Amino acid sequence: DAGVTQSPTHLIKTRGQQVTLRCSPKSGHDTVSWYQQALGQGPQFIFQYYEEEERQRGNFPDRFSGHQFPNYSSELNVNALLLGDSALYLCASSFRDRGGFGEAFFGQGTRLTVV
Amino acid sequence: DAKTTQPPSMDCAEGRAANLPCNHSTISGNEYVYWYRQIHSQGPQYIIHGLKNNETNEMASLIITEDRKSSTLILPHATLRDTAVYYCIVSSAGSARQLTFGSGTQLTVLP
Repeated sequence: DAGVTQSPTHLIKTRGQQVTLRCSPKSGHDTVSWYQQALGQGPQFIFQYYEEEERQRGNFPDRFSGHQFPNYSSELNVNALLLGDSALYLCASSFRDRGGFGEAFFGQGTRLTVV
Repeated sequence: DAKTTQPPSMDCAEGRAANLPCNHSTISGNEYVYWYRQIHSQGPQYIIHGLKNNETNEMASLIITEDRKSSTLILPHATLRDTAVYYCIVSSAGSARQLTFGSGTQLTVLP
């Protein structure tokens, strides 16, 4: 089991550009959540996808958008990059069972640097 | 989700038990207590969770007080590899559950 895989691992972009980050969930998982972690802080929830729809969203602007594909993989897109978007972007997958969601498994993250 | 309070840092001697406290005085009846840890430059790792009963797995034990306003994560025999930031999170098990991370506790295991 490969677990949650994210690509790329590191990325450098220029202010104003657009970026796409990718996530493959753990085998058997159907739900993907994205988090942003600034240096020295805990992860902050961006949004969650289930059945190819955005189900819940944190306090992030519309510049942050996402997509989930039929195979449960997901993309995070950020438009008009700002210097403040520099962070570690984490993907977490889980399985939605009758009781809600099982524990989340995180990938190693994508380190985005905006210059 | 209820807010949690954790000490910013703790030290523990290698081989000894590490006891990490968490206060969640505003927890509601349907909210679980989750613990995750994050080793430097890695993604957070799930450790354990519980509702009101004490829980134990191969990694740790979780002790929740009877009034559920606080809990303690216990690593029975800490090793150097347990050095990490430990996050206590309170969350419901609803249909769209997000994890709200605080600042966590930096546990340093000393040789």
